[in-house]
Amino acid sequence: DADVTQTPRNRITKTGKRIMLECSQTKGHDRMYWYRQDPGLGLRLIYYSFDVKDINKGEISDGYSVSRQAQAKFSLSLESAIPNQTALYFCATSDSVNRGERSTDTQYFGPGTRLTVL
Amino acid sequence: ILNVEQSPQSLHVQEGDSTNFTCSFPSSNFYALHWYRWETAKSPEALFVMTLNGDEKKKGRISATLNTKEGYSYLYIKGSQPEDSATYLCAPSAGAGSYQLTFGKGTKLSVIP
Repeated sequence: DADVTQTPRNRITKTGKRIMLECSQTKGHDRMYWYRQDPGLGLRLIYYSFDVKDINKGEISDGYSVSRQAQAKFSLSLESAIPNQTALYFCATSDSVNRGERSTDTQYFGPGTRLTVL
Repeated sequence: ILNVEQSPQSLHVQEGDSTNFTCSFPSSNFYALHWYRWETAKSPEALFVMTLNGDEKKKGRISATLNTKEGYSYLYIKGSQPEDSATYLCAPSAGAGSYQLTFGKGTKLSVIP
C-alpha cells in the first residue's frame, strides 16, 4: 500500500469552480507539503505545514489555500480555478526527527494529481 | 528562493555507457543537497542527501559528489541501463531551512537499448 496517497488522480474542471485536492499519509510524518509541476519548470512549493497548527506559504501560494485536518491529512483548495492553474500537483511528507548533527528532511512524494482547468 | 541550474537539460546515451550530470547552486548559506529520481508517470523518489563538502554517496551504479565551496554536485551513472531512464532532480536547501527545498528543472536521461 502506498504511504502517501492523493485523490483525485486526475481532474478536469471549469474556470471559476472550487476544487479540493486531498493528501493522506501513513508514514507518521509531521511535515507535509504541496507542490506544483509545470512543463519546463522545477517543482514549486505552494504551501507547507509542520503540524496541524502550523501552516506556511510557499513560493506560489496566491490563488490557493490549505487545510491540515489531522497529522495525516493535508488538503489543497483552489477557491476559483483558473486555466493557468492547470498543472501536476504533488503532495509530499517529511519527518522532522533529528537524526544527528544535521537533520535533513528527505521528502516522500505522493503519486500526483493532474488538474486541468478549462 | 535559490537559483538552481541543472545541466544538461536532457541527454541520450547507449546502454552500457557511463554518464554524469551537474547541479549548480549558490554556495552561500548552504545546508543540504538532495537528489531525486523521477520516472515518467511515477512520483519523485529520493536518491541521496548530502550535507558536507566532499561528501560522496553511492547506490548501486549511481553515485554523487558534493562541493559546497563552489556550489555544485555531480551525479554519475556507471554502465547505464534502460531502467535508468528518468528525470534526475537536484534540490538544495539553505540556511537553517532543511525542509525548504528548491528543485532544479532536472536532467532527463534516456538510455537507448
